Amino acid sequence: GQQLNQSPQSMFIQEGEDVSMNCTSSSIFNTWLWYKQDPGEGPVLLIALYKAGELTSNGRLTAQFGITRKDSFLNISASIPSDVGIYFCAGPKGAGSYQLTFGKGTKLSVIP
Amino acid sequence: DSGVTQTPKHLITATGQRVTLRCSPRSGDLSVYWYQQSLDQGLQFLIQYYNGEERAKGNILERFSAQQFPDLHSELNLSSLELGDSALYFCASSVDGDYTDTQYFGPGTRLTVL
Repeated sequence: GQQLNQSPQSMFIQEGEDVSMNCTSSSIFNTWLWYKQDPGEGPVLLIALYKAGELTSNGRLTAQFGITRKDSFLNISASIPSDVGIYFCAGPKGAGSYQLTFGKGTKLSVIP
Repeated sequence: DSGVTQTPKHLITATGQRVTLRCSPRSGDLSVYWYQQSLDQGLQFLIQYYNGEERAKGNILERFSAQQFPDLHSELNLSSLELGDSALYFCASSVDGDYTDTQYFGPGTRLTVL
């Protein structure tokens, strides 16, 4: 089945630093979604990407839909303590599918 | 607050038992999804309902079942529980269940099977 591989698995950064994480797949995805999960909460959608090459921003967050349709990147600029959490990439299992496949997540820790 | 509510927040039970998890979707959302999140498997899609009807099935065990009621709330029933069923169970809802819909997740139910 389709699997999403996220890297890095975890990262520790200083407050104010920029962060970059990515998600790759051996299969083509037509939609890439980035979610953030805070401790004790459910995932929250940050950014949705629907077209290859698309670059979308949401405040300090920027995500890109890879040209090959097999990868996506999420960048966070000028990190702050509340950026702490687990970031997941996700995409529909197949064309027109309602099922989301999630990556295993990147756990971000921000050192004040 | 996503607008999706789940009860209970925590559930501790023994192997072999049966439990019911409840979810109320956001006002106006017709579609409900159930996910299981465990440390080793990550977030796994279980099942989706749309306006009372099952729409898609994922990695849901035969011991698990779900339904969506006329008032659109949903219940996930887990029976003959095993230690490995211990996990966070999330419900999400979306407007009409189209794959481009944003899914809004509830706070989850943490199930511990002893």
